[in-house]
Amino acid sequence: AQRVTQPEKLLSVFKGAPVELKCNYSYSGSPELFWYVQYSRQRLQLLLRHISRESIKGFTADLNKGETSFHLKKPFAQEEDSAMYYCALQCMEYGNKLVFGAGTILRVKS
Amino acid sequence: DTAVSQTPKYLVTQMGNDKSIKCEQNLGHDTMYWYKQDSKKFLKIMFSYNNKELIINETVPNRFSPKSPDKAHLNLHINSLELGDSAVYFCASTQGQAPGEAFFGQGTRLTVV
Repeated sequence: AQRVTQPEKLLSVFKGAPVELKCNYSYSGSPELFWYVQYSRQRLQLLLRHISRESIKGFTADLNKGETSFHLKKPFAQEEDSAMYYCALQCMEYGNKLVFGAGTILRVKS
Repeated sequence: DTAVSQTPKYLVTQMGNDKSIKCEQNLGHDTMYWYKQDSKKFLKIMFSYNNKELIINETVPNRFSPKSPDKAHLNLHINSLELGDSAVYFCASTQGQAPGEAFFGQGTRLTVV
């Protein structure tokens, strides 16, 4: 069965500290993974996708098929990064639905 | 211009009532979705429609009935509302059946009392 695990419900760091939001997945097919972000009182929006290998707002994520992980990283956290972050897996065999992890709240303290 | 808009933003209603949430997208997308975010912020897909055709129908009580009058609209009707239906409901759309690049609405916070 397809599953996305985000083990940390809350991650609290100081401004300028490195950030790593963990995401592991379980999927028998070829995975396509994404990170979505939800800032306070705003809608959910796509942050980045593994196929584009891009860096958005200083965040990067590398797909590691051996460890079935797609951790989100940023070297220096900023206060405006505080938000809810969702890791999501696209399941081609199931109507192309997105399966979301439980989400991690990132709090960046000054 | 709002890409995906939902109405209402907030909905408070009594148990047993029937209510609808509307969603419209002006992106020209052909696939639309309903997601439910529960009190623990867990986000799960409920339905998806592609060109007015039902594609995904997760294990959702049949009190929930989506309706897509055209590919720009996907409404969610809920009959006999229960306390457990309280949640935030998100509409989303994509072009083609590639949900990874989904645009989400602002959500409808449904509270059943």
